[in-house]
This record gives sequence, C-alpha cells and structure tokens, in this order.
Amino acid sequence: KAGVTQTPRYLIKTRGQQVTLSCSPISGHRSVSWYQQTPGQGLQFLFEYFSETQRNKGNFPGRFSGRQFSNSRSEMNVSTLELGDSALYLCASSWGANTGELFFGEGSRLTVL
Amino acid sequence: LAKTTQPISMDSYEGQEVNITCSHNNIATNDYITWYQQFPSQGPRFIIQGYKTKVTNEVASLFIPADRKSSTLSLPRVSLSDTAVYYCLVGAYASGTYKYIFGTGTRLKVLA
Repeated sequence: KAGVTQTPRYLIKTRGQQVTLSCSPISGHRSVSWYQQTPGQGLQFLFEYFSETQRNKGNFPGRFSGRQFSNSRSEMNVSTLELGDSALYLCASSWGANTGELFFGEGSRLTVL
Repeated sequence: LAKTTQPISMDSYEGQEVNITCSHNNIATNDYITWYQQFPSQGPRFIIQGYKTKVTNEVASLFIPADRKSSTLSLPRVSLSDTAVYYCLVGAYASGTYKYIFGTGTRLKVLA
C-alpha cells in the first residue's frame, strides 16, 4: 500500500512569492492534515480537511490556505511568503478526522530567501 | 488551550528501558493520546495510541493516569536504531475548532 506522497520535496522561493504544496494520501484515507515544522516552534498544526471540507484549523494567518479534492488529494498554499515561512511542511492522512492516528509523508522543505 | 511539554533530551544505553513523559493539561475529554517517532529528514511515524490506563503493542507501552494530565511512553530494551525524536500528540478544542497539539519533542540518544 503506497504511503503519503508529498511534492515537491524541496523548493526555494523569494519573499513575496507564493507556493503550492501537494499531498496524496493513503488510498482510502479521507482526512488530510497539514503541519509546519521548524527548529524553534516544533510541529504546529495548520489545518485538517475531511471530505473536501476544512474541519479544523490551527493558529496561522490567512496567508496559509488549503483545499481538498474529491479524490482526497490536498494542496496547501502560502501567499506573500515571509522569511519565517521557511520550514518543513508535513502532510498526514488518516481514515477520519480527529483520530490522532496520522500517517505522515516525508515533507516539503521550503526555503524562503 | 492545551499545552504539552516533554523533556528536551534523554540518553540511554542499549538494552535498557526508556520512559518518556508528556505533560498535557486541558486535553479534549474524548481525545486519544498518541506518540510518534521521527528520524531526520522523515515525517513522524505512529508508535502507539491510548485513551486511559495502559496500552501495549509490539514496540511500546503507553501509561495514562486517571486524570489524563500526563502520559508515559515506555520503550523496552532500546537499541541504537531507536535514536530519534519522540513526540506526544493530543487534541484540544479551542475557539470552536479541534486542534492537534504536538509536544515539544524528546531527543533520545541510545548509546552502545
């Protein structure tokens, strides 16, 4: 069974640009959640989607957004990038929302210059 | 909002039992407590999940007291390959939405 796939794995952007990251969940999983990981702040929850609807949301500004498609694949977008957005962005899938049993991808490492 | 804290780091020798505790206040009443392991350049990997008392699987045990304000991950007979960062995860409701809250992470180093 294929795991969670995130693309791209690495990317470099400059301040003010925007970025879109993609996540393909494990087959059959309907929930996708996103996290930002940095050395200073650790793992922080961004949002969770279930059946194409955002179910839960963390404490990030509106520049961070996401969506989920009918096949459960998800994308997250960060607009007007700031230096502080440099991080590892992790996607996780699960069979349902609020389960806590998450299966993570390897992440997309974003560097903002 | 729930806050989760863990020891920053721990050292252990091969073959020993390691216990890592996570303190969490205000977790959601019906929420599970979950533990993850993370190696460099990889996403976290699920280890174990529990709601109360004790849960054991083939790799770890999880102890949760009645008040659920903390949990302890127990790794029996660690090996060098258990060197990793360990995170607890709890859920909490705040501002009408459910949030996943990871602990600060414990860096475990297993020595030969």
